[in-house]
Amino acid sequence: NAGVTQTPKFQVLKTGQSMTLQCAQDMNHNSMYWYRQDPGMGLRLIYYSASEGTTDKGEVPNGYNVSRLNKREFSLRLESAAPSQTSVYFCASNQGLNTEAFFGQGTRLTVV
Amino acid sequence: GENVEQHPSTLSVQEGDSAVIKCTYSDSASNYFPWYKQELGKRPQLIIDIRSNVGEKKDQRIAVTLNKTAKHFSLHITETQPEDSAVYFCAAITFNDYKLSFGAGTTVTVRA
Repeated sequence: NAGVTQTPKFQVLKTGQSMTLQCAQDMNHNSMYWYRQDPGMGLRLIYYSASEGTTDKGEVPNGYNVSRLNKREFSLRLESAAPSQTSVYFCASNQGLNTEAFFGQGTRLTVV
Repeated sequence: GENVEQHPSTLSVQEGDSAVIKCTYSDSASNYFPWYKQELGKRPQLIIDIRSNVGEKKDQRIAVTLNKTAKHFSLHITETQPEDSAVYFCAAITFNDYKLSFGAGTTVTVRA
């Protein structure tokens, strides 16, 4: 039982490059989330998926797209990376309302 | 959408003293309020949560209180120990859209 798995753990991109962050959970959770964490700004919600087949914008969606591929997987895509997207990205999942969210180990992304 | 505010941003306490972190939320539809602890370089992990039909919950040295009328909730850590040093996040989830929103975090330092 791996929980929430994110890949890659580290990535360096050049400005303008694209990439996809992968997230998979094996807990049969309905809801999945993508956050970015920057110093002093906490965990800001980028996009989330309340259930398979649905996705919604969070606080900071600009520059990102997501795909809920199936119940297990929720990917985050940067189409044209910018230095402002340098951050630590966390994926999380939970069963739904009133339940604990479990986090992946994070992806440290640097855009130069 | 939901807006969660957290205070203070940093907190330094003497070992054995108590620590209190306060959060407010804006959406009256929020009904689940978890607290997460994040140690340096690690992922956030749930330490305690409270649901809207409960006013207080305790688990050993930590407790959370909720005032739904005033839309605020607090984390209390008693008899602090060095291992309590970490970043603590409050969060809220709204039942109508499943969005899980976090506060900006409080860095707690316990001085020996």
